[in-house]
Parts: sequence; structure tokens; C-alpha cells
Amino acid sequence: KNEVEQSPQNLTAQEGEFITINCSYSVGISALHWLQQHPGGGIVSLFMLSSGKKKHGRLIATINIQEKHSSLHITASHPRDSAVYICAVHAGNQFYFGTGTSLTVIP
Amino acid sequence: DAGITQSPRHKVTETGTPVTLRCHQTENHRYMYWYRQDPGHGLRLIHYSYGVKDTDKGEVSDGYSVSRSKTEDFLLTLESATSSQTSVYFCAISESSGVGSPLHFGNGTRLTVT
Repeated sequence: KNEVEQSPQNLTAQEGEFITINCSYSVGISALHWLQQHPGGGIVSLFMLSSGKKKHGRLIATINIQEKHSSLHITASHPRDSAVYICAVHAGNQFYFGTGTSLTVIP
Repeated sequence: DAGITQSPRHKVTETGTPVTLRCHQTENHRYMYWYRQDPGHGLRLIHYSYGVKDTDKGEVSDGYSVSRSKTEDFLLTLESATSSQTSVYFCAISESSGVGSPLHFGNGTRLTVT
């Protein structure tokens, strides 16, 4: 059983489209993280949140603690947004990770 | 960017040989983690450390050992490498286990066991 489930696994969008990636989790958490990994690249932290909503540029992350659900939105998507997006939750001393959503944005 | 360095970045080794991967941080963070990343799986925890000489096993710890003799260094050792340990290994650091503790990753080590 996975503590963190993401959907969709793969996503292809046209440049300019609005994108949503979903994350559900089953454990009690202190925080939820959204991470980005470009092909062959390292892993970068986009957001850390424990309630409500955060926004960085065209990226928005929301979390509903009661429903144990988070979403990552990308507005006006661009080909450089093509990457794997990973949801992770911080529970106790450990982090649990989703398997990632592979996003391809076509020009 | 958080100061976290993994070495080597790439390594090819033969089955049965010992291998040590190094993670070095300059952030003085308490928690350090070793993960492996394989297709179809999320990042899976191998071992983690919550202080000097304090370590604990993760979900895929068999065949791996770790050591942390200094705050800044966390070593991962494959005592006798097997082909199933071919993977990309990531080190991560975190300041604490509480709320508001960002997670920073190294650039990864690609290990191939032939």
C-alpha cells in the first residue's frame, strides 16, 4: 500500500493550457512537499505547505488537510515546465513519496 | 541552493565489489537521508540519520549500511554490490522532523552494477 498516490501518471498538454496534478495521502502529516525533476536532473523543491494555498509565479499549490488531498496547478504552461512532479509528505522522521507525474508540454 | 554534494556522480562497478557513496552537506542540518530511485517506484528510503552516529533503517535497507561520524558527511556502503542495486541514489537533508522543514536533495549518483 502506498502512503502517497498521485494522478495522473502521465500528462501531455499544449503550451498555454492550465494543468492540474493531484496527490492523495493516507498518513498523518506535518507538511506536504511538491518537487520537480527534469529528465536526467536533480530534484528541486517547489513548495512546502501544511495548510491553505501557496503561489510562486505560474505555480499554485493547495492542500486540504481534512480530505488528505493536495493539488499542484500550472497556469499558462510552457515547454520548460516539462518534468516529473513528485508529491511527498513529511510524517514523523520520514518522508513518503508518490511515484511522480510526468508532464510534457508541447509547443 | 542548499549546500549538498554527492560523490561520485556516476559509477560502474562489478558484482560482488564494495561501493561507498558519499553525501556532504554544508548546512549543518540534523537529518540526512539516502534514497534510491527506480522506474515505476517512488523514491524509496534506504537509511536515514538523525544525528552523528544515530541512524535507522528504511524500507529497502537490505544490502546497505551507512555511517555518520560527522554532521556534514553521510556515507552509504554497498558491502557486495548486486545487479539489483543498479539505480540512481539521492541524498537529502532536512533541518528537523517538525513542521516547516524543507527537504533538499543532492544531484544524485548513477550506479551501474555489471
